[in-house]
Amino acid sequence: AQKVTQAQTEISVVEKEDVTLDCVYETRDTTYYLFWYKQPPSGELVFLIRRNSFDEQNEISGRYSWNFQKSTSSFNFTITASQVVDSAVYFCALSVPNRDDKIIFGKGTRLHILP
Amino acid sequence: DTAVSQTPKYLVTQMGNDKSIKCEQNLGHDTMYWYKQDSKKFLKIMFSYNNKELIINETVPNRFSPKSPDKAHLNLHINSLELGDSAVYFCASSHLGLAGSNEQFFGPGTRLTVL
Repeated sequence: AQKVTQAQTEISVVEKEDVTLDCVYETRDTTYYLFWYKQPPSGELVFLIRRNSFDEQNEISGRYSWNFQKSTSSFNFTITASQVVDSAVYFCALSVPNRDDKIIFGKGTRLHILP
Repeated sequence: DTAVSQTPKYLVTQMGNDKSIKCEQNLGHDTMYWYKQDSKKFLKIMFSYNNKELIINETVPNRFSPKSPDKAHLNLHINSLELGDSAVYFCASSHLGLAGSNEQFFGPGTRLTVL
């Protein structure tokens, strides 16, 4: 069975600090996709990144970076120099293609960036 | 030119009523989904349709019935509403079968409150 664990329920940091959101996943499949979504207070779900299981290169997009490590089944997300606008709930998710393609979401991490 | 739209955005109704939530996507995708987000922010898939055919049906009460009149629409009808149905319902779409894909685009959500 597939599972996504986000152990951090809630995190608060002061603006400009770096923060890392942890994500650990479980699957027996060798081909899978990992995602991060952001849900700001307005409620919509914003797609941030998709990674396939064969690409372990870390990715950087502006202040956002992702560290994918298959050896530890982790796909962690780091925000550098955090800003108040980064305050949101962040979801890590997993899907396995060629099955039913459903996305399994973690329970989310609520991130508060304090001014 | 919204990609995935849902109506209504808010729905307040009495217990026992029947209500529908509509979803439309203009992305040309062949697969659409309904997710439920409960008060603890936990996101869980309910249904998935591919080319108007049901492919995912999680353990959802049969009071919930999805209807897909065409590839661009997936409506959710709920009979005999209960207090526990209060949640935010998200519609999503994707292009199933695209290798390396399954990026799901989410609608803005419908907040259902059952009194």
